[in-house]
Amino acid sequence: DQQVKQNSPSLSVQEGRISILNCDYTNSMFDYFLWYKKYPAEGPTFLISISSIKDKNEDGRFTVFLNKSAKHLSLHIVPSQPGDSAVYFCAAPQARGYNKLIFGAGTRLAVHP
Amino acid sequence: GAGVSQSPRYKVAKRGQDVALRCDPISGHVSLFWYQQALGQGPEFLTYFQNEAQLDKSGLPSDRFFAERPEGSVSTLKIQRTQQEDSAVYLCASSNSVSTDTQYFGPGTRLTVL
Repeated sequence: DQQVKQNSPSLSVQEGRISILNCDYTNSMFDYFLWYKKYPAEGPTFLISISSIKDKNEDGRFTVFLNKSAKHLSLHIVPSQPGDSAVYFCAAPQARGYNKLIFGAGTRLAVHP
Repeated sequence: GAGVSQSPRYKVAKRGQDVALRCDPISGHVSLFWYQQALGQGPEFLTYFQNEAQLDKSGLPSDRFFAERPEGSVSTLKIQRTQQEDSAVYLCASSNSVSTDTQYFGPGTRLTVL
């Protein structure tokens, strides 16, 4: 049973527009979420996180929204740039105070001119 | 400072061979994780070390998989009698905290078993 789901395997967005990547989770005990970005032949790199005590966290062009009642979070990238083209993973620690991460399958974002 | 490094970056093994994958975490990082990433999937947890202690190995798929971190720094993931289903990217990550914190990933080792 997948506890973290990213149902869109790919997304194509025009440069300058907003990219919205979605993530759903099933475990109501999850209280912290992270987004990682991965380029080919590299390891995932941390992008942004959010605690369940918040419903929004912003860092420059990147904003993560959390809807606990819907068990849904989304990553917004505004404006999208070609360098944002990568695979984005949503992840959550298995339990409070233990950072074994449970990952979604990822969404491949392509930002085109 | 250097990030997490892994070697080799690519490994081709014949079915039945043993392989050893190395991870050099960020200096001073207490926590070390191994993940397995199959094609088109997200990383899946294999095992976790806190310093030299292996506190969780629940994700290791079979007893052919073995990991160690004898001095609390470098770690080795060993796979005995490799099978085709072991083909994947093996990622190592480290963290400077034992609680929820950012994990820093290495570039991974791509293992192909023929």
